[in-house]
Amino acid sequence: DADVTQTPRNRITKTGKRIMLECSQTKGHDRMYWYRQDPGLGLQLIYYSFDVKDINKGEISDGYSVSRQAQAKFSLSLESAIPNQTALYFCATKDLYTGELFFGEGSRLTVL
Amino acid sequence: QKEVEQNSGPLSVPEGAIASLNCTYSDRGSQSFFWYRQYSGKSPELIMFIYSNGDKEDGRFTAQLNKASQYVSLLIRDSQPSDSATYLCAVIAAGSQGNLIFGKGTKLSVKP
Repeated sequence: DADVTQTPRNRITKTGKRIMLECSQTKGHDRMYWYRQDPGLGLQLIYYSFDVKDINKGEISDGYSVSRQAQAKFSLSLESAIPNQTALYFCATKDLYTGELFFGEGSRLTVL
Repeated sequence: QKEVEQNSGPLSVPEGAIASLNCTYSDRGSQSFFWYRQYSGKSPELIMFIYSNGDKEDGRFTAQLNKASQYVSLLIRDSQPSDSATYLCAVIAAGSQGNLIFGKGTKLSVKP
């Protein structure tokens, strides 16, 4: 099993719908991240969490919200999806000693 | 705005050649540097990290860091078609709360 698991892996939805992407990890890392990737734009940080009580906005947080339900779980919500939120979304955890990020397999979201 | 710049490519090299990927960063206080490989539609995976000036070798991969010139490079020796992917450079800049800042990636194509 993957150390960082994302569900769903693929989702097609309609404009205005609420969507939740879930992430769980077995690496025991405190820090968790949500990134968005668009073709040619690299990885953009949406939200990050240093622990259950510490959640921070990234560079593109508008239109998104998150919840850190436990050390192992970090979910991303789109309250009212719009087409320009169509993208590949990655959850990641961080090893504090090396700085390395460990990514989930990604969730491809299409908003029609 | 702290930035990480990469040539988007595509960089095309013949099988067996050396591929050279370059990355520059804007924040002089950056301390940690990472190279990730990402196959199309897949999640990024770490190739190497480097913290100190100079070279760091791991198999066919060598990372080179020059903090004075603010660049980090990745050399791939004996390139194989399986090395064809997008390579992401990432930097932990000073004052970034330990968050990685990613470049947009360089697409490498290794021709048989």
